Amino acid sequence: DTAVSQTPKYLVTQMGNDKSIKCEQNLGHDTMYWYKQDSKKFLKIMFSYNNKELIINETVPNRFSPKSPDKAHLNLHINSLELGDSAVYFCASSGDSNYGYTFGSGTRLTVV
Amino acid sequence: DAKTTQPPSMDCAEGRAANLPCNHSTISGNEYVYWYRQIHSQGPQYIIHGLKNNETNEMASLIITEDRKSSTLILPHATLRDTAVYYCIVRGLYNFNKFYFGSGTKLNVKP
Repeated sequence: DTAVSQTPKYLVTQMGNDKSIKCEQNLGHDTMYWYKQDSKKFLKIMFSYNNKELIINETVPNRFSPKSPDKAHLNLHINSLELGDSAVYFCASSGDSNYGYTFGSGTRLTVV
Repeated sequence: DAKTTQPPSMDCAEGRAANLPCNHSTISGNEYVYWYRQIHSQGPQYIIHGLKNNETNEMASLIITEDRKSSTLILPHATLRDTAVYYCIVRGLYNFNKFYFGSGTKLNVKP
């Protein structure tokens, strides 16, 4: 079983559309994250949820709205997509273990 | 979180040891050193972490200097599949603070 799974793996959409990316972890971790990796390959944190509560919200446009229905899921909804939103989005989770984060395989979003 | 400095790229011959350095001169006493790698565009993968003692696992060894201001990740017998970007990160343990990923070191393993 995949520890942290994201869907879809690829997403191509037009500017102005609204889209969602889903993330699920089966590790029993309490904390989940969304990271964005842009074309320059820098990984930047966007959000973090602990037990369904938002604990980190970096400077992200409010077009991005994370939702955590339970501690195993953290979805990312993006409204009014812009060209600059094109990137790879990674979901991650962490728990009591000191092994840090476990990352998903990423969702490549292309806005055209 | 402490800032880290890594060389942008390194080359290594297949089968040889790859030694990846990291400077973290502002590390505080309760911060750990973590290493991750990202192969192509996959999700970052945990390699190893340590506080002040040297650590070894099935993937790599981590050597931390006595003053903890720098560390070296050692891949004992690099293979072509080890070609990746390697990130050195320092942060407190069990906190909710972010992993700050810098620009990392692109390791090129060559046949």
